[in-house]
Parts: sequence; structure tokens; C-alpha cells
Amino acid sequence: NAGVTQTPKFQVLKTGQSMTLQCAQDMNHEYMSWYRQDPGMGLRLIHYSVGAGITDQGEVPNGYNVSRSTTEDFPLRLLSAAPSQTSVYFCASSGWDGQETQYFGPGTRLLVL
Amino acid sequence: GQQVMQIPQYQHVQEGEDFTTYCNSSTTLSNIQWYKQRPGGHPVFLIQLVKSGEVKKQKRLTFQFGEAKKNSSLHITATQTTDVGTYFCAVLVRNQFYFGTGTSLTVIP
Repeated sequence: NAGVTQTPKFQVLKTGQSMTLQCAQDMNHEYMSWYRQDPGMGLRLIHYSVGAGITDQGEVPNGYNVSRSTTEDFPLRLLSAAPSQTSVYFCASSGWDGQETQYFGPGTRLLVL
Repeated sequence: GQQVMQIPQYQHVQEGEDFTTYCNSSTTLSNIQWYKQRPGGHPVFLIQLVKSGEVKKQKRLTFQFGEAKKNSSLHITATQTTDVGTYFCAVLVRNQFYFGTGTSLTVIP
């Protein structure tokens, strides 16, 4: 099992550009989520999904879109990048196995100029 | 959103000393999780606590959930350089995870 994979590892964008961060998991988990991590702020939930076709907003959803057409994939779209979106982005999945253990991907480091 | 306060923000210890990080909430929690993130890495799940007064141990790590289920602690006995990283608590509320701001542990050899 590869677990949770994310691409790209690093990305530099100019203000106003759009891009999609990819996330995939091969554990057949129903729950998937996106976080951003900024210094001193911990991890903040952007969007989450409890199953294919179902998505919902987290704590900091503005400027981001998600979709969940399959169980495996949960892409995060930045519609018009802003410098405030410079961050490290983590995708995670959970099987709701009674412990709600979250498995995190390796992260994407995004710099918006 | 759910407020989970975590202290301290930073902790420097000599190798062999003990370390404790605390998470506190103003409301009663149904559960609390702990994660470890090594420098440059991603968070890794350590444990989940759900019962009032629960204590769980993993080798040198001891996790506690308060009797009122409003606070939790992670204690590391006799720290080693492999313990370096940031430790986060997290709570699950209505399908959303809320993380504490983390405690960054530095171990001085």
C-alpha cells in the first residue's frame, strides 16, 4: 500500500494563477481531508469529505474548492492564488475504524509570489 | 471553531529529562488524539483517548485524558534525540478535526 500520496511536492505560483493539488489514497477510506499548516497555527481544516460525492467546508475554506468523484481521489483547487495561501498543505484519510486514525500524505509546499 | 489550547509552544530539554505537553478545552470533549510530526515531515497518529480519566502508555510515552474530559497530557519519560519533533493534540467534533497549535520539542544531546 502506498498510503496517502500527494503531488506536487513543491510549487511556486504567481498571484492570480490557479492550480490543483492532487491527493490519492489506496486504503479504501471513506473520510478524506485537506489541511494547511502555517507556523504557530497548527493544522487547520480546509475541506473534508465523508464519502464519494460528499464534501463540506472546514475551518478555512475560502479560496479553495474540492470535489470527490471517487473514493480514492480528493483534489484541492486554488481558484486564484494569493500570497496568503503560501503554506504547507496536507491531505489525510481515515477509515473511521473506531479510532478515526488519520493517515497523512507527505505534504505540498506552496509559495505564492 | 472548537478551541483546543496547547502549551507550551516550545520546550528544550537535555537528553534524559522528562517532557510534558498539555491540551485544554473550555468544553467537554468526546475524544482527543495525539500526533507527532518530525521536522520536515508529516503528522503521524500516536493514540486516541475517549474515556474519562483514561491513561495509556506506549513505551516511554504516557497519555492521559482528564476526569472532566476537558484536558489531556502527553508525558515522555527520559527523552531521547529520536523524540525531537512537534506534538499535536486534535479533537473530532461533528466530522471535523481541530488541532492544537503544537509543542515543538528540542532534545539537547
